Amino acid sequence: GAGVSQSPSNKVTEKGKDVELRCDPISGHTALYWYRQSLGQGLEFLIYFQGNSAPDKSGLPSDRFSAERTGGSVSTLTIQRTQQEDSAVYLCASSETSGYTGELFFGEGSRLTVL
Amino acid sequence: AQKVTQAQTEISVVEKEDVTLDCVYETRDTTYYLFWYKQPPSGELVFLIRRNSFDEQNEISGRYSWNFQKSTSSFNFTITASQVVDSAVYFCALSGTPSGGSYIPTFGRGTSLIVHP
Repeated sequence: GAGVSQSPSNKVTEKGKDVELRCDPISGHTALYWYRQSLGQGLEFLIYFQGNSAPDKSGLPSDRFSAERTGGSVSTLTIQRTQQEDSAVYLCASSETSGYTGELFFGEGSRLTVL
Repeated sequence: AQKVTQAQTEISVVEKEDVTLDCVYETRDTTYYLFWYKQPPSGELVFLIRRNSFDEQNEISGRYSWNFQKSTSSFNFTITASQVVDSAVYFCALSGTPSGGSYIPTFGRGTSLIVHP
């Protein structure tokens, strides 16, 4: 499809394991965001990529979280040594421009459950 | 720093009732953008509307209308004659500009709207 694609849609893992979440943005969109959605907490910003610029990592909650974006397209969010508090829905969004003026196009999210 | 407050956690109405979702924001930027998104059950967030800080005109789109008031820092969303398909979580969001430093869209906690038949 032409929308933002995220995988896996659901991931159950054991505490302490590493997980990788993938985001395939809309073709041609230069801006890519990762947000985390916890129950009743709204959307928490994690990281922002814009073109070839250095990413804005100011929202990453700890050094266990990292993300990369290869070739200006696909992005991977990695969580190392997962903890139960990491359980949430991880949302990826892309935007045609920088994102702050225009709409964000969201994927359906990756639901992470840490046991 | 910027902040978006959606004080209503959940609203329950009966079909055909009008409902207003409140959004109050805080920002130091003079130029900023306000958004509403809809997240239906088990679905992705979908963009509904964007307003910039220089345009306080209210907007109407079918049964949806938006009331932007800078004087009260509010950007409220009204659904007229609600329908069951309007049941969703609605998010209000705010972004500034790179020069202002707050260019990452900040979202409120969302308001869950339940429309009963």
